[in-house]
Amino acid sequence: DADVTQTPRNRITKTGKRIMLECSQTKGHDRMYWYRQDPGLGLQLIYYSFDVKDINKGEISDGYSVSRQAQAKFSLSLESAIPNQTALYFCAIRPTGTGANVLTFGAGSRLTVL
Amino acid sequence: ELKVEQNPLFLSMQEGKNYTIYCNYSTTSDRLYWYRQDPGKSLESLFVLLSNGAVKQEGRLMASLDTKARLSTLHITAAVHDLSATYFCAVENYGGATNKLIFGTGTLLAVQP
Repeated sequence: DADVTQTPRNRITKTGKRIMLECSQTKGHDRMYWYRQDPGLGLQLIYYSFDVKDINKGEISDGYSVSRQAQAKFSLSLESAIPNQTALYFCAIRPTGTGANVLTFGAGSRLTVL
Repeated sequence: ELKVEQNPLFLSMQEGKNYTIYCNYSTTSDRLYWYRQDPGKSLESLFVLLSNGAVKQEGRLMASLDTKARLSTLHITAAVHDLSATYFCAVENYGGATNKLIFGTGTLLAVQP
């Protein structure tokens, strides 16, 4: 199994629809992240969580919400999707501690909002 | 607020040539990461640089960190087509109560035969 699994991998939806992107991990890391990637803009942090009860907004949280259902699960919701939320979304996990703490990414969820 | 800039944004180079990608950042940090992304794929960790003067090498790629200049470089030696990808740097942001990585915009590298 992959360290980080994202579902769905591809989704096409219409403006105004609610959509949820799910992320699960097998590494037991406390820290989980949602990033958005747009061409030419790099990765922008949407939300991150350091614990089931610790949810934090990132750079671009407007229009998004998250839920940390368990240590291993972190889902991203768009309550009312709009076309400019069309992007590639990545979930990532990261260990805690004083070491290298590399961010490990899922395969990505490509979302198209028509 | 930490800003991370990479240049160039696009690099077309011939096989066998050398080149350098630059990553500048705006506030103090001593941790920097390099990632590679192939088209349509996820990001893969390449290097972790944890202190001033750190240098890491893997094959034809070498990364270095100068925390005083707030600069990291990714040097490509004798490029080959397989190195074609987008390369991102990410800088540890120590602001506030928690740390998080801030990414550059990426450098799209195209190695031509």
